[in-house]
Amino acid sequence: GNSVTQMEGPVTLSEEAFLTINCTYTATGYPSLFWYVQYPGEGLQLLLKATKADDKGSNKGFEATYRKETTSFHLEKGSVQVSDSAVYFCALSQGAQKLVFGQGTRLTINP
Amino acid sequence: EPEVTQTPSHQVTQMGQEVILRCVPISNHLYFYWYRQILGQKVEFLVSFYNNEISEKSEIFDDQFSVERPDGSNFTLKIRSTKLEDSAMYFCASSESRGQGTEAFFGQGTRLTVV
Repeated sequence: GNSVTQMEGPVTLSEEAFLTINCTYTATGYPSLFWYVQYPGEGLQLLLKATKADDKGSNKGFEATYRKETTSFHLEKGSVQVSDSAVYFCALSQGAQKLVFGQGTRLTINP
Repeated sequence: EPEVTQTPSHQVTQMGQEVILRCVPISNHLYFYWYRQILGQKVEFLVSFYNNEISEKSEIFDDQFSVERPDGSNFTLKIRSTKLEDSAMYFCASSESRGQGTEAFFGQGTRLTVV
């Protein structure tokens, strides 16, 4: 079945550091790929998405590129801020819109 | 901005008791979902609901679970006889459609603790 594997956390960085959170997936066909973020005390929010190979999703300075050859959708940001501290979830959906999530990566940014 | 709301935010219940988790999806959305996250584990799909019936359910969603849309606005998840292993964060979500890449909007979750 479909699955998503994320980089183990927690991840702690200093402000303005470069961020990469790795995500790889297993799926038949061509899933849609998502990054969701959960800020403290809030629900899951869509951060960005990509629906076909080589698409790049971007939002709030974050980017991720759908790489079919490596079955990856790594999340990157060039310069993180304290306000980016949250839990990040990589996910895929296929066909019926059910989301399959990775285990989540807790990110803490220190000033 | 429209949002999915869930109540209560935290529920503590005794093993064997029935619980009902409540959700108000975004008003023009047609597809509704429940997910759960056991502490330290992945967010897992439980069930999807459309047109007043279950469209898909996971292996987790056994006879102890049921969903209902009782009044056209609320969407509830009932657990008939809770077990310790039902302790988790339960997320409700809704979406406007089911097309490729459609965004699902999530509530803030209900933390269920079974003691």
